[in-house]
Amino acid sequence: GAGVSQSPSNKVTEKGKDVELRCDPISGHTALYWYRQRLGQGLEFLIYFQGNSAPDKSGLPSDRFSAERTGESVSTLTIQRTQQEDSAVYLCASSLDYAGDPYEQYFGPGTRLTVT
Amino acid sequence: GIQVEQSPPDLILQEGANSTLRCNFSDSVNNLQWFHQNPWGQLINLFYIPSGTKQNGRLSATTVATERYSLLYISSSQTTDSGVYFCAVAGVGDYKLSFGAGTTVTVRA
Repeated sequence: GAGVSQSPSNKVTEKGKDVELRCDPISGHTALYWYRQRLGQGLEFLIYFQGNSAPDKSGLPSDRFSAERTGESVSTLTIQRTQQEDSAVYLCASSLDYAGDPYEQYFGPGTRLTVT
Repeated sequence: GIQVEQSPPDLILQEGANSTLRCNFSDSVNNLQWFHQNPWGQLINLFYIPSGTKQNGRLSATTVATERYSLLYISSSQTTDSGVYFCAVAGVGDYKLSFGAGTTVTVRA
């Protein structure tokens, strides 16, 4: 079946502008995650959605970052008033998630964000 | 949070050689995944292995949860094995993955 998809694949924006990144999880996956990968580094967790539960926003670096998810489908990550330090690859992942049991996470191809 | 250390940071191999990558973690885990990040940045799932041993073709992995480490074995390496290998773990009761810094593997023909 189809994997996790993300759009756009690349985004170049000017400092101070807002950007919106989109993620479509694997069909049937109830859990959705956003991570960020800065150049040459590992991934860092940003936010987690599970069904209708309140999202875990503990990884969001500042209040300029927000995310929404419609039911168990599409999620959007919004960055307001972008700064140069926001330049990174933003990756979305999804997994099954039942009663807190851990399941394998599958990642999308990422959105490469460059803030000029 | 849980700490993940990967070694070595860089590995250069001649095609056909075997290698072992190591991942140490600081606390009990209920999720451990190995990924290969290809030159285009895509994370490819290699293993979901919070404990035990698994094999997939030329790759195999072992996690010894009680001693808090995991090993990824690459046998008969090929140039297509080049890239960055990440180990990622989630602590007991947690769902978010904590990633190591990765091992950059270069396989030369």
